[in-house]
Amino acid sequence: GAGVSQSPRYKVAKRGQDVALRCDPISGHVSLFWYQQALGQGPEFLTYFQNEAQLDKSGLPSDRFFAERPEGSVSTLKIQRTQQEDSAVYLCASSLRDRGLLGNEQFFGPGTRLTVL
Amino acid sequence: DAKTTQPPSMDCAEGRAANLPCNHSTISGNEYVYWYRQIHSQGPQYIIHGLKNNETNEMASLIITEDRKSSTLILPHATLRDTAVYYCIVRGTGANSKLTFGKGITLSVRP
Repeated sequence: GAGVSQSPRYKVAKRGQDVALRCDPISGHVSLFWYQQALGQGPEFLTYFQNEAQLDKSGLPSDRFFAERPEGSVSTLKIQRTQQEDSAVYLCASSLRDRGLLGNEQFFGPGTRLTVL
Repeated sequence: DAKTTQPPSMDCAEGRAANLPCNHSTISGNEYVYWYRQIHSQGPQYIIHGLKNNETNEMASLIITEDRKSSTLILPHATLRDTAVYYCIVRGTGANSKLTFGKGITLSVRP
């Protein structure tokens, strides 16, 4: 079956440009997470959706970062006025359930590598 | 989530067992130990998780000490494809159980 997919896989942006990163979770998965991974570091949490509701956006580094999941499936992470420090791999993960033990494992996409020049 | 500590790197010979340690001395009673790995240029991959009993699946075994303050991930017969960064994570099972990654341990499997 299809896993989590992300597009584009690579994005180069000039400083100040807006970018939009797409995540297609596994069909039927309730929870969706976005993480940011800087070079040489582990992924860091950005935001969390339960279906279409954004329940936690505590990890978003600034108000230039915005995420949405309007129909509870596909999600988009938008970064406005990109800065060089936004360069990183952006990972999306989904899980079948939003709590409990079974079905709570997160499945990750391959990530989008964003380079801001 | 409680923090974990892992050595930065280790290596092992192909075909031998790889034992990856993790300390989580502040783990609370309702928190589980999860292991993920990340092969170069890929997203993290779930391996295994456990509460207090030892667990085994087709990928690995997880040994958790009786006091739950540390654990060991065992890859019984490491292959070159197991070369990756391995993350030990402690998390609850409530809503929004986001994963808090550290730097992980880089396992290098040598021929």
